[in-house]
Amino acid sequence: AQSVTQLGSHVSVSEGALVLLRCNYSSSVPPYLFWYVQYPNQGLQLLLKYTSAATLVKGINGFEAEFKKSETSFHLTKPSAHMSDAAEYFCAVTTPQRVQGAQKLVFGQGTRLTINP
Amino acid sequence: KAGVTQTPRYLIKTRGQQVTLSCSPISGHRSVSWYQQTPGQGLQFLFEYFSETQRNKGNFPGRFSGRQFSNSRSEMNVSTLELGDSALYLCASSPRTSGRADTQYFGPGTRLTVL
Repeated sequence: AQSVTQLGSHVSVSEGALVLLRCNYSSSVPPYLFWYVQYPNQGLQLLLKYTSAATLVKGINGFEAEFKKSETSFHLTKPSAHMSDAAEYFCAVTTPQRVQGAQKLVFGQGTRLTINP
Repeated sequence: KAGVTQTPRYLIKTRGQQVTLSCSPISGHRSVSWYQQTPGQGLQFLFEYFSETQRNKGNFPGRFSGRQFSNSRSEMNVSTLELGDSALYLCASSPRTSGRADTQYFGPGTRLTVL
């Protein structure tokens, strides 16, 4: 079974500071990993995904994440926080499909990011 | 390309009633998945439909059901509503390309409140 743990349900940083949101996964097969962002009263928007190519993945809005197999981690970072980054962030894991069978995302509990002016 | 659309956006029901939620995937996407989001349980997978067939089901009671039509649009139904069914129901579509990590694209959700 797959699982995701996001360390820290709330993270608060100052505008311009480094953003670091932590995600650790558990998977018995090589995983595919995703980060999604959710703004209030909206659905989930994909930030970036890891699909076994480059371990450092760049996404939208200046975010990036590094896949570290030895640490089973996929932490999300952004060098300089902006007020518009305030939202809830979800890490998710799934497995690649070799046939057109079932597919589901397993999500972490989410991290609410607050940006202080 | 238009995104995933869900209707209605907000719904208020009373205990014991039933409800049907609708999802239209991105054009060309053949897979539709449903997720329930609550403050206590977070995001949980309900089921996935592909080619009008349920491919996978999460750990939810039989009161939760769904279907997919030939145009890939999907509906989910919850019968005999309970207070605990109050949640944001999210629909996601993906192209379902064999052997690749398909990204799931989410709609804005339907906020269901059960009184």
